[in-house]
Amino acid sequence: QVQLQQSGAELVKPGSSVKISCKASGYTFTSYDMHWIKQQPGNGLEWIGWIYPGNGNTKYNQKFNGKATLTADKSSSTAYMQLSSLTSEDSAVYFCARPAWYSGDVFDYWGQGVMVTVSS
Amino acid sequence: IQLTQSPSLLSASVGDRVTLSCKGSQNINNYLAWYQQKLGEAPKLLIYKTNSLQTGIPSRFSGSGSGTDYTLTISSLHSEDLATYYCYQYNNGLTFGSGTKLEIK
Repeated sequence: QVQLQQSGAELVKPGSSVKISCKASGYTFTSYDMHWIKQQPGNGLEWIGWIYPGNGNTKYNQKFNGKATLTADKSSSTAYMQLSSLTSEDSAVYFCARPAWYSGDVFDYWGQGVMVTVSS
Repeated sequence: IQLTQSPSLLSASVGDRVTLSCKGSQNINNYLAWYQQKLGEAPKLLIYKTNSLQTGIPSRFSGSGSGTDYTLTISSLHSEDLATYYCYQYNNGLTFGSGTKLEIK
Protein backbone atom coordinates (compact mmCIF):
# COMPACT_ATOMS: atom_id res chain seq x y z
CA GLN A 1 0.00 0.00 0.00
CA VAL A 2 1.10 3.53 -0.71
CA GLN A 3 2.69 5.28 2.27
CA LEU A 4 4.35 8.65 2.68
CA GLN A 5 6.37 8.82 5.89
CA GLN A 6 7.55 12.28 6.86
CA SER A 7 10.36 13.26 9.22
CA GLY A 8 9.80 14.54 12.74
CA ALA A 9 8.90 17.93 14.14
CA GLU A 10 11.51 20.69 13.94
CA LEU A 11 12.24 23.64 16.22
CA VAL A 12 14.49 26.07 14.41
CA LYS A 13 15.82 29.57 14.91
CA PRO A 14 14.85 32.61 12.82
CA GLY A 15 17.15 33.11 9.87
CA SER A 16 18.16 29.46 9.69
CA SER A 17 17.18 26.72 7.26
CA VAL A 18 15.48 23.37 7.69
CA LYS A 19 15.21 20.31 5.48
CA ILE A 20 12.30 17.93 5.90
CA SER A 21 11.80 14.59 4.23
CA CYS A 22 9.06 12.40 2.83
CA LYS A 23 9.86 8.73 2.27
CA ALA A 24 7.61 7.01 -0.24
CA SER A 25 6.78 3.32 -0.40
CA GLY A 26 4.28 1.05 -2.09
CA TYR A 27 4.58 2.52 -5.58
CA THR A 28 7.15 3.51 -8.20
CA PHE A 29 8.61 6.69 -6.77
CA THR A 30 9.87 7.97 -10.11
CA SER A 31 6.47 7.74 -11.81
CA TYR A 32 4.57 10.37 -9.84
CA ASP A 33 5.13 13.99 -8.91
CA MET A 34 5.49 14.76 -5.24
CA HIS A 35 3.71 17.89 -4.06
CA TRP A 36 4.22 19.92 -0.89
CA ILE A 37 1.49 21.83 0.95
CA LYS A 38 1.70 24.29 3.84
CA GLN A 39 -0.84 24.68 6.64
CA GLN A 40 -0.38 27.44 9.18
CA PRO A 41 -2.02 26.98 12.61
CA GLY A 42 -5.74 27.53 12.32
CA ASN A 43 -5.39 28.42 8.67
CA GLY A 44 -6.12 26.80 5.39
CA LEU A 45 -3.93 24.98 2.94
CA GLU A 46 -1.42 26.46 0.53
CA TRP A 47 0.28 24.65 -2.35
CA ILE A 48 4.06 25.12 -2.38
CA GLY A 49 5.22 23.19 -5.43
CA TRP A 50 6.01 19.81 -6.93
CA ILE A 51 8.99 17.76 -7.99
CA TYR A 52 9.02 14.94 -10.51
CA PRO A 53 11.58 12.47 -9.10
CA GLY A 54 11.99 10.80 -12.48
CA ASN A 55 13.99 13.72 -13.88
CA GLY A 56 14.16 16.26 -11.04
CA ASN A 57 11.88 18.79 -12.72
CA THR A 58 10.23 21.21 -10.32
CA LYS A 59 7.48 23.79 -10.32
CA TYR A 60 6.83 26.29 -7.55
CA ASN A 61 4.04 28.54 -6.39
CA GLN A 62 5.55 31.99 -7.10
CA LYS A 63 5.03 32.89 -3.46
CA PHE A 64 7.56 30.22 -2.42
CA ASN A 65 10.26 30.97 -4.99
CA GLY A 66 13.44 31.47 -3.01
CA LYS A 67 11.83 30.12 0.15
CA ALA A 68 11.40 26.43 -0.69
CA THR A 69 13.72 24.11 -2.60
CA LEU A 70 12.47 20.68 -3.61
CA THR A 71 14.79 17.74 -4.26
CA ALA A 72 14.43 13.98 -4.51
CA ASP A 73 16.68 10.96 -4.00
CA LYS A 74 15.67 8.11 -6.29
CA SER A 75 17.91 5.60 -4.50
CA SER A 76 15.97 5.98 -1.26
CA SER A 77 12.57 7.01 -2.69
CA THR A 78 12.68 10.12 -0.57
CA ALA A 79 11.58 13.65 -1.40
CA TYR A 80 12.96 16.63 0.45
CA MET A 81 11.94 20.22 0.98
CA GLN A 82 14.38 22.80 2.28
CA LEU A 83 13.05 26.04 3.68
CA SER A 84 15.47 28.92 4.01
CA SER A 85 15.71 32.30 5.81
CA LEU A 86 13.06 31.16 8.23
CA THR A 87 10.72 33.61 9.96
CA SER A 88 7.71 33.17 12.21
CA GLU A 89 5.55 33.13 9.05
CA ASP A 90 7.15 29.81 8.16
CA SER A 91 5.88 28.15 11.35
CA ALA A 92 3.39 25.64 9.99
CA VAL A 93 2.66 22.01 9.28
CA TYR A 94 4.09 20.87 5.97
CA PHE A 95 2.59 17.94 4.08
CA CYS A 96 3.89 15.95 1.16
CA ALA A 97 1.23 14.51 -1.11
CA ARG A 98 1.10 12.23 -4.13
CA PRO A 99 -1.33 12.78 -6.98
CA ALA A 100 -3.96 10.24 -7.95
CA TRP A 101 -3.32 8.03 -10.98
CA TYR A 102 -6.18 9.72 -12.82
CA SER A 103 -5.04 13.31 -12.25
CA GLY A 104 -1.68 14.91 -11.77
CA ASP A 105 -3.08 17.63 -9.55
CA VAL A 106 -5.50 15.84 -7.19
CA PHE A 107 -3.82 14.33 -4.16
CA ASP A 108 -5.04 11.00 -2.86
CA TYR A 109 -2.12 10.09 -0.61
CA TRP A 110 -0.69 12.41 2.03
CA GLY A 111 2.11 12.22 4.55
CA GLN A 112 1.27 12.72 8.20
CA GLY A 113 2.71 16.23 8.19
CA VAL A 114 5.76 17.84 9.79
CA MET A 115 5.35 20.69 12.25
CA VAL A 116 8.04 23.33 11.85
CA THR A 117 8.27 25.90 14.63
CA VAL A 118 10.45 28.96 14.11
CA SER A 119 11.41 30.49 17.43
CA SER A 120 14.45 31.97 19.11
CA ILE B 1 -8.20 31.59 -8.80
CA GLN B 2 -9.49 32.48 -5.33
CA LEU B 3 -12.02 30.18 -3.65
CA THR B 4 -14.58 31.43 -1.13
CA GLN B 5 -16.27 28.85 1.07
CA SER B 6 -19.49 29.38 2.98
CA PRO B 7 -20.41 29.17 5.69
CA SER B 8 -17.12 29.23 7.59
CA LEU B 9 -18.79 27.42 10.50
CA LEU B 10 -21.77 25.10 10.31
CA SER B 11 -23.51 23.38 13.18
CA ALA B 12 -25.82 20.49 12.34
CA SER B 13 -27.40 17.44 13.92
CA VAL B 14 -26.82 13.78 13.17
CA GLY B 15 -29.12 12.80 10.33
CA ASP B 16 -29.31 16.30 8.84
CA ARG B 17 -28.72 17.00 5.16
CA VAL B 18 -25.78 19.39 4.97
CA THR B 19 -24.72 21.60 2.08
CA LEU B 20 -21.36 23.36 1.85
CA SER B 21 -20.62 25.95 -0.81
CA CYS B 22 -17.52 26.97 -2.72
CA LYS B 23 -17.34 29.89 -5.14
CA GLY B 24 -14.46 30.61 -7.47
CA SER B 25 -13.27 34.02 -8.61
CA GLN B 26 -13.18 32.62 -12.16
CA ASN B 27 -14.60 29.68 -14.08
CA ILE B 28 -13.18 26.44 -12.62
CA ASN B 29 -14.34 24.23 -15.52
CA ASN B 30 -15.36 21.48 -13.06
CA TYR B 31 -11.76 20.94 -11.91
CA LEU B 32 -12.92 21.10 -8.32
CA ALA B 33 -12.24 18.65 -5.51
CA TRP B 34 -13.29 18.41 -1.87
CA TYR B 35 -11.13 17.36 1.06
CA GLN B 36 -12.07 16.46 4.63
CA GLN B 37 -9.59 17.22 7.40
CA LYS B 38 -10.10 15.92 10.91
CA LEU B 39 -8.22 17.44 13.81
CA GLY B 40 -4.56 16.46 13.79
CA GLU B 41 -4.80 14.53 10.53
CA ALA B 42 -3.87 15.06 6.91
CA PRO B 43 -6.62 16.03 4.48
CA LYS B 44 -8.55 13.20 2.89
CA LEU B 45 -9.85 13.31 -0.68
CA LEU B 46 -13.63 12.93 -0.90
CA ILE B 47 -14.65 14.16 -4.35
CA TYR B 48 -12.75 15.04 -7.52
CA LYS B 49 -13.79 16.57 -10.86
CA THR B 50 -16.84 18.14 -9.19
CA ASN B 51 -18.87 14.96 -8.62
CA SER B 52 -16.64 11.86 -8.79
CA LEU B 53 -16.57 9.98 -5.49
CA GLN B 54 -13.11 8.86 -4.42
CA THR B 55 -12.78 5.11 -3.83
CA GLY B 56 -13.78 4.13 -0.31
CA ILE B 57 -15.73 7.29 0.46
CA PRO B 58 -19.30 6.73 1.70
CA SER B 59 -22.06 7.47 -0.79
CA ARG B 60 -23.64 10.02 1.57
CA PHE B 61 -21.04 12.45 0.20
CA SER B 62 -21.76 14.00 -3.19
CA GLY B 63 -20.62 16.97 -5.20
CA SER B 64 -22.19 19.18 -7.82
CA GLY B 65 -21.74 22.46 -9.58
CA SER B 66 -20.41 24.18 -12.65
CA GLY B 67 -18.73 27.39 -13.71
CA THR B 68 -17.81 29.24 -10.54
CA ASP B 69 -20.25 27.65 -8.06
CA TYR B 70 -19.84 24.24 -6.44
CA THR B 71 -21.45 22.31 -3.61
CA LEU B 72 -20.59 19.42 -1.33
CA THR B 73 -23.61 17.65 0.13
CA ILE B 74 -23.73 15.18 2.99
CA SER B 75 -27.10 13.47 2.65
CA SER B 76 -27.36 12.28 6.24
CA LEU B 77 -24.81 13.58 8.72
CA HIS B 78 -22.89 11.07 10.81
CA SER B 79 -21.03 11.97 14.02
CA GLU B 80 -17.72 11.00 12.41
CA ASP B 81 -18.22 13.72 9.79
CA LEU B 82 -17.02 16.28 12.35
CA ALA B 83 -14.20 17.96 10.42
CA THR B 84 -13.16 20.94 8.34
CA TYR B 85 -13.97 20.68 4.65
CA TYR B 86 -11.88 22.36 1.96
CA CYS B 87 -12.64 22.87 -1.68
CA TYR B 88 -9.69 22.82 -4.06
CA GLN B 89 -9.41 23.94 -7.67
CA TYR B 90 -6.90 22.66 -10.19
CA ASN B 91 -8.10 24.39 -13.30
CA ASN B 92 -5.75 27.37 -13.16
CA GLY B 93 -2.98 26.99 -10.61
CA LEU B 94 -3.67 24.99 -7.47
CA THR B 95 -5.59 26.69 -4.68
CA PHE B 96 -7.63 25.69 -1.66
CA GLY B 97 -10.59 27.42 -0.12
CA SER B 98 -10.43 28.69 3.45
CA GLY B 99 -12.57 25.84 4.76
CA THR B 100 -15.92 25.16 6.39
CA LYS B 101 -15.75 23.81 9.92
CA LEU B 102 -18.58 21.37 10.52
CA GLU B 103 -19.73 20.92 14.10
CA ILE B 104 -22.17 18.33 15.37
CA LYS B 105 -24.96 19.70 17.56
